[in-house]
Amino acid sequence: DGGITQSPKYLFRKEGQNVTLSCEQNLNHDAMYWYRQDPGQGLRLIYYSQIVNDFQKGDIAEGYSVSREKKESFPLTVTSAQKNPTAFYLCASSPGFDYGYTFGSGTRLTVV
Amino acid sequence: AQTVTQSQPEMSVQEAETVTLSCTYDTSENNYYLFWYKQPPSRQMILVIRQEAYKQQNATENRFSVNFQKAAKSFSLKISDSQLGDTAMYFCAFMKPGSFGNEKLTFGTGTRLTIIP
Repeated sequence: DGGITQSPKYLFRKEGQNVTLSCEQNLNHDAMYWYRQDPGQGLRLIYYSQIVNDFQKGDIAEGYSVSREKKESFPLTVTSAQKNPTAFYLCASSPGFDYGYTFGSGTRLTVV
Repeated sequence: AQTVTQSQPEMSVQEAETVTLSCTYDTSENNYYLFWYKQPPSRQMILVIRQEAYKQQNATENRFSVNFQKAAKSFSLKISDSQLGDTAMYFCAFMKPGSFGNEKLTFGTGTRLTIIP
């Protein structure tokens, strides 16, 4: 079945360490997105990519980095510069043409 | 910038009853898309329903329907014959059409809906 796979489901890291969240899709979608979800704040856009080797900052990109070397993969790195990294992270993809997104099951990151 | 407001942080309703979740948005665009997503306890985001602003007819998907009032910038979700499986967080979202891949979703803060047995 086609879908988006995020791994791991839960991730624990010490403060000051960089951590990379994985997102892989087999839907043949060109566009991919990363959102952060915090209680009471809905989902906020971190980065998005329209095509391989190209990506754009979203509303809260500071302290995050991404890469898009393959169509299927869009990993997110949470760097030590991110002041409050503990959150739930959702990856999504879209075929474009305003159909909305397909989401992964998310990664819960806890920094201690 | 577009904003989406969900004024009901939490709601609860008895099983089999009908419930309406409110959503308002602010935009200067004339053409756009609106969505309702459901996030159950598993936290998987699931598309419930989609509305195109240029269509006057309200979208429906089985027990789910919307009341789209373009002039009032209102987009409410009605769930009929509610079921226990409808218990979830519901997010309203706005999308402004753009160049391919540039269609970003803007979300509201969500309404937590609980269906009571």
